[in-house]
Amino acid sequence: SQQGEEDPQALSIQEGENATMNCSYKTSINNLQWYRQNSGRGLVHLILIRSNEREKHSGRLRVTLDTSKKSSSLLITASRAADTASYFCATGVSGTYKYIFGTGTRLKVLA
Amino acid sequence: GAGVSQSPRYKVAKRGQDVALRCDPISGHVSLFWYQQALGQGPEFLTYFQNEAQLDKSGLPSDRFFAERPEGSVSTLKIQRTQQEDSAVYLCASSLVYGASAQETQYFGPGTRLLVL
Repeated sequence: SQQGEEDPQALSIQEGENATMNCSYKTSINNLQWYRQNSGRGLVHLILIRSNEREKHSGRLRVTLDTSKKSSSLLITASRAADTASYFCATGVSGTYKYIFGTGTRLKVLA
Repeated sequence: GAGVSQSPRYKVAKRGQDVALRCDPISGHVSLFWYQQALGQGPEFLTYFQNEAQLDKSGLPSDRFFAERPEGSVSTLKIQRTQQEDSAVYLCASSLVYGASAQETQYFGPGTRLLVL
């Protein structure tokens, strides 16, 4: 398997708290994306950060990228029960058409 | 339709049976990807099409797996002589971008859940 790694594997927080999840990868990348997957459903794109960017914001989401450490983090601020889902990072591997997904973080937000 | 659709949504096959999974991408989307997602894991890349051309099939696990997109729109993933380890969710995604690298936002279908008994 070529999967990247995410940590934590599971995270349980109270509504209103912030959630941070991390992604590490192994290859050179063009970009890194974060997706959300609700139980039994397809993936929904959240945010894309290019390899020459260090930080990006979208609503309550903040993504950072450190290409020297081959890592990224996703911060969800002021979490809501509706944020309960699995979150995956996906790296666009340089020189290929391929995306490599991480193993995912299962987030549970308690109301 | 507005999104990527896949059919069937669920498929139960007996070991050794052939199956065909269909993906209807968003109209006008040039790029199409197939992924395999095992329970509790992230999706794993299987293959990539740009229009009708299959440009990367490095993720197909064996020669029992075959994908096609003959007219550059609908795609079919075929699995011959299914085995129990083929049980997974098969996801299709499409992307608008055309070019040397198709690495832009992908829009995913709901997946086909395959169970091989």
